Amino acid sequence: SYELTQPPSVSVSPGQTARITCSGDALPKQYAYWYQQKPGQAPVLVIYKDSERPSGIPERFSGSSSGTTVTLTISGVQAEDEADYYCQSADSSGIWVFGGGTKLTVL
Amino acid sequence: EVQLVQSGAEVKKPGESLKISCKGSGYSFTSYWIGWVRQMPGKGLEWMGIIYPGDSDTRYSPSFQGQVTISADKSISTAYLQWSSLKASDTAMYYCARGALYSGSYLEGGAFDIWGQGTMVTVSS
Repeated sequence: SYELTQPPSVSVSPGQTARITCSGDALPKQYAYWYQQKPGQAPVLVIYKDSERPSGIPERFSGSSSGTTVTLTISGVQAEDEADYYCQSADSSGIWVFGGGTKLTVL
Repeated sequence: EVQLVQSGAEVKKPGESLKISCKGSGYSFTSYWIGWVRQMPGKGLEWMGIIYPGDSDTRYSPSFQGQVTISADKSISTAYLQWSSLKASDTAMYYCARGALYSGSYLEGGAFDIWGQGTMVTVSS
C-alpha cells in the first residue's frame, strides 16, 4: 500500500523557520495537502495543492514540492504553532493516505 | 456557516454493533465527498474511506474494507460509519470531514477542508 513518510519530530526556537518534509513515490503526480492538529482538536487544513493557503491561514505557512518530496515551511514560528502536522495525498487508484505525522516543538 | 456535526461519544462492548453519524449543513451536501478518519489514542490520522452522497459512490482504504460500512442519507444531509461487531481495537476518535476536489476528478485526489468535532468510540468489556 502507498505510504507517505514524515520525520516524527521537528524542534525550532520561536522566530526561526521550521521545515517539515513528506516523501512519497506518487507525489510528482498527485498534489499534497497539509493539516495542523492541536491537542484535543480536530485537524485543520493549512496547505492545499502543494502550496496554496486556505483563507484564514497565516502567511507564515507555505508549501513547496520537489520530485518525491513536499515540504511545509513555517516562517517566524510562534508558540501557537506547536502542534502535530500531517501530510496527505492520494495514490493512482483514488485511495487517500496520511503521513505518519510530525510533532513540531517550539523550544 | 459550513459545518459537520457528529453524534456523541459511545461506550460499547466487544461484539456489539454501532452506527455513528455526521450531519452537514451550510453547503450542498450532495456536491462534496464525505470521508471518515480514525485516530487511535496517541496515534496519527488514518484514512478509512469516503462517500459521495450525490450517488453513494463509496471507496474504502484496503485496511478498512470489510471492517466498516460507510453510507449516507442525502435527504437528511447525514453520513454514517457503522460496525457490525466491534473489537477493543476499534477504540478511537473518529472524525468525519468534507472532501474537496481541487482538480475536479476524484482520482486526482483532494483534501478534507471541513472537519467534524469527532466521535470517541470506546470498546471495552
